[in-house]
Amino acid sequence: DGGITQSPKYLFRKEGQNVTLSCEQNLNHDAMYWYRQDPGQGLRLIYYSQIVNDFQKGDIAEGYSVSREKKESFPLTVTSAQKNPTAFYLCASIGQGNSPLHFGNGTRLTVT
Amino acid sequence: AQSVTQLDSQVPVFEEAPVELRCNYSSSVSVYLFWYVQYPNQGLQLLLKYLSGSTLVKGINGFEAEFNKSQTSFHLRKPSVHISDTAEYFCAVSSYGGSQGNLIFGKGTKLSVKP
Repeated sequence: DGGITQSPKYLFRKEGQNVTLSCEQNLNHDAMYWYRQDPGQGLRLIYYSQIVNDFQKGDIAEGYSVSREKKESFPLTVTSAQKNPTAFYLCASIGQGNSPLHFGNGTRLTVT
Repeated sequence: AQSVTQLDSQVPVFEEAPVELRCNYSSSVSVYLFWYVQYPNQGLQLLLKYLSGSTLVKGINGFEAEFNKSQTSFHLRKPSVHISDTAEYFCAVSSYGGSQGNLIFGKGTKLSVKP
C-alpha cells in the first residue's frame, strides 16, 4: 500500500544535539510538508517543498532545516537553535488536482 | 491573513447522541475548508472538505459539515456518535485556488464519547 513512513516513532535527544527526522513517501507526490503539533495548539507549518531541490519556509521555520534531494524523501533536521524542540512532528504530502493532504503517523521528539 | 477558531477545546457526549463541533474562520479571500480527525499517536485523516458547490458536505464515518459564508462557519455534525469517534478533530482552511497542503489549522477539539 502507498503511504508516508515517518521514523522513528519516538526519539529522545539531549539538549544541544541536532536530530534528523525521516519522512519517506511512495505516493509519487510532488509536494511534501512538515508540521509541528503541540498540545492544544493545533498544527503549524515548518517547511514545505513543491518540487525536488526546492523548499520554502513555513510559519515556524526558525531552528529547523530540510532537504529535498529525492522526490520520495523530505528529512527534517531539528537543530540546537530550536528553543523548544519537544513536540510531535508530522510529515505530509499531496498529489495533483484536488487530492487531499496525506499524513504520516508522526514522530514524537523529546529533548531533555 | 487567515485564521481558524475552534470554539470548544473539549466536547464530552454520550454514545448515540448527536454532536456538533464548531469552527469559524477569518479570511479576506475565498477559501477551501477541511475537517481532519486524529486518533491518539497517529497522523491526521481527512473527514471531509468544501471546495465549491453544495454547502452541505458529507464525509466519512457519517460526518457532515455545512459551509456558511455569511457566518464564516464550517461546523461539523454527526447525528449519532459511537465510542470509536473519540478522537481530536481539526478544522483547517486554505486559500481558494491555492495548494490544499498549505493549511491553517485550528487548535483542535477533543471529542470524548462516553458509554
